[in-house]
Amino acid sequence: DAGVIQSPRHEVTEMGQEVTLRCKPISGHNSLFWYRQTMMRGLELLIYFNNNVPIDDSGMPEDRFSAKMPNASFSTLKIQPSEPRDSAVYFCASSLVGALSYEQYFGPGTRLTVT
Amino acid sequence: AQSVAQPEDQVNVAEGNPLTVKCTYSVSGNPYLFWYVQYPNRGLQFLLKYITGDNLVKGSYGFEAEFNKSQTSFHLKKPSALVSDSALYFCAVRDGGSGNTGKLIFGQGTTLQVKP
Repeated sequence: DAGVIQSPRHEVTEMGQEVTLRCKPISGHNSLFWYRQTMMRGLELLIYFNNNVPIDDSGMPEDRFSAKMPNASFSTLKIQPSEPRDSAVYFCASSLVGALSYEQYFGPGTRLTVT
Repeated sequence: AQSVAQPEDQVNVAEGNPLTVKCTYSVSGNPYLFWYVQYPNRGLQFLLKYITGDNLVKGSYGFEAEFNKSQTSFHLKKPSALVSDSALYFCAVRDGGSGNTGKLIFGQGTTLQVKP
């Protein structure tokens, strides 16, 4: 399996622009998670989906952030408009939840820089 | 509420010596515990998990972890450290309060520095 795929790997944009991050989970997994990692705040859970349905978006920092999962093999995280404080590494992770399997598998991340 | 704590921000060890990275947890119900490693500029990688069974769990790269129910701990260990083990390590626990959705609660991470 190719693992969790994220694109782009790096994104540099100007303040006010729209940013869309993409994620393809591992085939067959039923849960998907979006995280943000910074030196100041560490690893933060933004939102997660189970069977393509958003379960908890309480970690989304502001209304500028939105996430969708239109099907089992694709998810997006959108920031509109972007601000310099959104600069971080954004990770997508997926897992197959059930029985005794709960471990999450992370993608390589998207490093976002907002100038 | 479910929580996990990693009491050390950084652990320093000499190459060839044993290493321990500490983790304690607080959960209601049976704990499902995990260790992850993050190398620079990479995503988190799953190392090992404890769900049930033997208290000593073996994982990738020669790492193991010991589940101790009475001390509510799940420390990560390796008998002989390598310089290449230098990385950021995260302990995590399943959030039983979120239903069966797979949500994990991560500790703040411990930086392991192995010196030659």
